[in-house]
Amino acid sequence: EPEVTQTPSHQVTQMGQEVILRCVPISNHLYFYWYRQILGQKVEFLVSFYNNEISEKSEIFDDQFSVERPDGSNFTLKIRSTKLEDSAMYFCASRAGDYNEQFFGPGTRLTVL
Amino acid sequence: AQTVTQSQPEMSVQEAETVTLSCTYDTSENNYYLFWYKQPPSRQMILVIRQEAYKQQNATENRFSVNFQKAAKSFSLKISDSQLGDTAMYFCAFMNSVDYGNKLVFGAGTILRVKS
Repeated sequence: EPEVTQTPSHQVTQMGQEVILRCVPISNHLYFYWYRQILGQKVEFLVSFYNNEISEKSEIFDDQFSVERPDGSNFTLKIRSTKLEDSAMYFCASRAGDYNEQFFGPGTRLTVL
Repeated sequence: AQTVTQSQPEMSVQEAETVTLSCTYDTSENNYYLFWYKQPPSRQMILVIRQEAYKQQNATENRFSVNFQKAAKSFSLKISDSQLGDTAMYFCAFMNSVDYGNKLVFGAGTILRVKS
């Protein structure tokens, strides 16, 4: 069964460093998402991406964040200068155009020290 | 903006018994989708069940069923014959069908513990 994959599973970084979180969505899906979950809190929407551009972003998704689909298979989330409060679990999700379920990856745990 | 409220932070149930998790939402839209996701300790998000707002019939998936009350904006999840593997965090989620981005809006979650 096809699945969304994410790498790395755990990333530790120093405050102020750049990180790139990687996702490989399901191959025939057209819509891509990033969500984050701070430990013990709800899952929050960050950004949606369709047709090689951002379709919606939340207030959390400020200028420090960017997304890219560089090669038609990977979908990346970059945080330019990490802050302590960026520590969270980051989930990638994808959705086919003709069905509304979002399939989630296993998540990347980001720890900012 | 849509909001989703799960008023039960934690629930527990004995193995083989039935438990109902509550969810209410607020929206002015008429067309939307509702979901229940399960997040076990591994933290993987797993879809449990989905409901289209235009369908009056409540969705059912094996031991999982929903009670969808559109007028009351209520969407509860019933788990029958609870199993130890059902222990997880359960999130109710809303998706507006007309949003271009079709993002999911999640509730705060309910921790369900199934006891043997």
